[in-house]
Amino acid sequence: NAGVTQTPKFQVLKTGQSMTLQCAQDMNHNSMYWYRQDPGMGLRLIYYSASEGTTDKGEVPNGYNVSRLNKREFSLRLESAAPSQTSVYFCASKRAGNTEAFFGQGTRLTVV
Amino acid sequence: GDSVTQMEGPVTLSEEAFLTINCTYTATGYPSLFWYVQYPGEGLQLLLKATKADDKGSNKGFEATYRKETTSFHLEKGSVQVSDSAVYFCALSTQTGNTGKLIFGQGTTLQVKP
Repeated sequence: NAGVTQTPKFQVLKTGQSMTLQCAQDMNHNSMYWYRQDPGMGLRLIYYSASEGTTDKGEVPNGYNVSRLNKREFSLRLESAAPSQTSVYFCASKRAGNTEAFFGQGTRLTVV
Repeated sequence: GDSVTQMEGPVTLSEEAFLTINCTYTATGYPSLFWYVQYPGEGLQLLLKATKADDKGSNKGFEATYRKETTSFHLEKGSVQVSDSAVYFCALSTQTGNTGKLIFGQGTTLQVKP
């Protein structure tokens, strides 16, 4: 049971570089989410996708773009990384309704 | 808007002590409530959930009751173990049309000492 798989697990970027964080789920979930976790801030929603073909902004979308490539995959792109984007990023997926989400293991990103 | 507020940590307890982590929420409609746990270096795992008022979620000795009148979902455990040391997140899920958002509190770090 793979669940939610994120790649990479760790990444160091220089300011201004770009990268894409990948996320895939094998549970046939409709909804997928990207969160960032910072000390003392809990998890903050960056973007989400309620279903294949749709994406919406969350609480902190600036500096990010997303693509819902198909039902399984939801990627997060940083076009020009900034030190303020140093964080741990989590992808999650869930079925429709007020159901629980399943999380990936996270990507620890450092921007220097 | 919808929000979740947790007691600030860190919380440090001795093994076998009683644990309470407070959580209150603000939401329109009828949210579902969750507690997630994050062990060091790992992602979040669902600990327990409750989907309607007065429901009690329980798992691994942890319990929480959905209290609509006080908009609370406090986490309790009668006797903590060193292995319970982790970060605990309270969360709510609301549904608008086909969109379900999951909103988290800031997390509470629990350290249990032998």
